[in-house]
Amino acid sequence: GAGVSQSPRYKVAKRGQDVALRCDPISGHVSLFWYQQALGQGPEFLTYFQNEAQLDKSGLPSDRFFAERPEGSVSTLKIQRTQQEDSAVYLCASSLGTASVANYGYTFGSGTRLTVV
Amino acid sequence: QKEVEQNSGPLSVPEGAIASLNCTYSDRGSQSFFWYRQYSGKSPELIMFIYSNGDKEDGRFTAQLNKASQYVSLLIRDSQPSDSATYLCAGLGGSYIPTFGRGTSLIVHP
Repeated sequence: GAGVSQSPRYKVAKRGQDVALRCDPISGHVSLFWYQQALGQGPEFLTYFQNEAQLDKSGLPSDRFFAERPEGSVSTLKIQRTQQEDSAVYLCASSLGTASVANYGYTFGSGTRLTVV
Repeated sequence: QKEVEQNSGPLSVPEGAIASLNCTYSDRGSQSFFWYRQYSGKSPELIMFIYSNGDKEDGRFTAQLNKASQYVSLLIRDSQPSDSATYLCAGLGGSYIPTFGRGTSLIVHP
């Protein structure tokens, strides 16, 4: 596609419910990042994929968070047993490759706003 | 301490003035820096990147990098109300994973 697509745009979950957030990166983009952005804060890194390999998951806040990118394109961020502190905007970004991130940054999707009630 | 620090603001400037946004970083290994603009309720969009000491100009925007003092700045000349947004500074080290500051809110009033 022309841009990074995320779905759903908004998600309301009851505390304890599992959620799955989808990211469809720009076609051909090797690098894919997930960020969490709380209200009034900058994006906080969660995890990074290069193709299907999850190279860094150091930012995932707990073992309730899980991300996958099985075929090196679409990625899913899953949050199990959601808690109120999980309420945030979840941003996905993609880049042509690791070197291009250094030179050109990357493109964000529109994000998924998760509200846990 | 966050690796990238920004004053949250808001920074308020009159229309037509120069807006100066600043960012400091702690990781001396950071090589590239980015400025993203984020309108309320929208995702960040890249407006400038810089990796060499000195100034880089693009239209009304100038990014400045001083690696010795570990700061990055963004100047917006002839500020317009449409420039009102949150400006995010990000630094990139050897891991190729950008670290973002919390952002500075800019308000340009007519």
